[in-house]
Amino acid sequence: DSGVTQTPKHLITATGQRVTLRCSPRSGDLSVYWYQQSLDQGLQFLIQYYNGEERAKGNILERFSAQQFPDLHSELNLSSLELGDSALYFCASSSLAGASTDTQYFGPGTRLTVL
Amino acid sequence: AQKVTQAQTEISVVEKEDVTLDCVYETRDTTYYLFWYKQPPSGELVFLIRRNSFDEQNEISGRYSWNFQKSTSSFNFTITASQVVDSAVYFCALSEGARDDMRFGAGTRLTVKP
Repeated sequence: DSGVTQTPKHLITATGQRVTLRCSPRSGDLSVYWYQQSLDQGLQFLIQYYNGEERAKGNILERFSAQQFPDLHSELNLSSLELGDSALYFCASSSLAGASTDTQYFGPGTRLTVL
Repeated sequence: AQKVTQAQTEISVVEKEDVTLDCVYETRDTTYYLFWYKQPPSGELVFLIRRNSFDEQNEISGRYSWNFQKSTSSFNFTITASQVVDSAVYFCALSEGARDDMRFGAGTRLTVKP
């Protein structure tokens, strides 16, 4: 158990809908990262937050957004969902200064299925 | 461009065999970090090791060992006396200080048969 929690574990929804994925980092960690894992794209970095501020952006679609709250939990919002958004979404956290070179500890993931 | 190649898509071994998973990376930076993660059938990503570019010492942790060779840009992972519980997808990843992201290889699916 990495100490990173993600909810829900599974999510099934329809095209065009909006969903919110939630992540709680390990105790004491200030950085939260979001990744998407799909069969065709592999593991892709989406976005990073450090102590409430956006730190880095990767291959995140405009339909997706994220935020990190004062209690350091983070939410990833996915809107206007398409079939291709079906994937496993991971959250990770790290304890150092928020650099991508820090060790990232991953949560169990949220499996999103868009029908 | 920053890139990680895991040429072995799938490997199948019988329990107690040794197995090596290959990872080749590309970077122009002198400062970078390499990682290995394990993804068992349950789906979570488990951190195994982090190594910086200035430390070429091989690392051993129980049945796991890692061979880092800058001359060949490789960071290979060996499991000695494999067990069924080692069955998983293993990912190698690269991160540079100048970049914001950690780049993962495509992964190697290891199946250990009893």
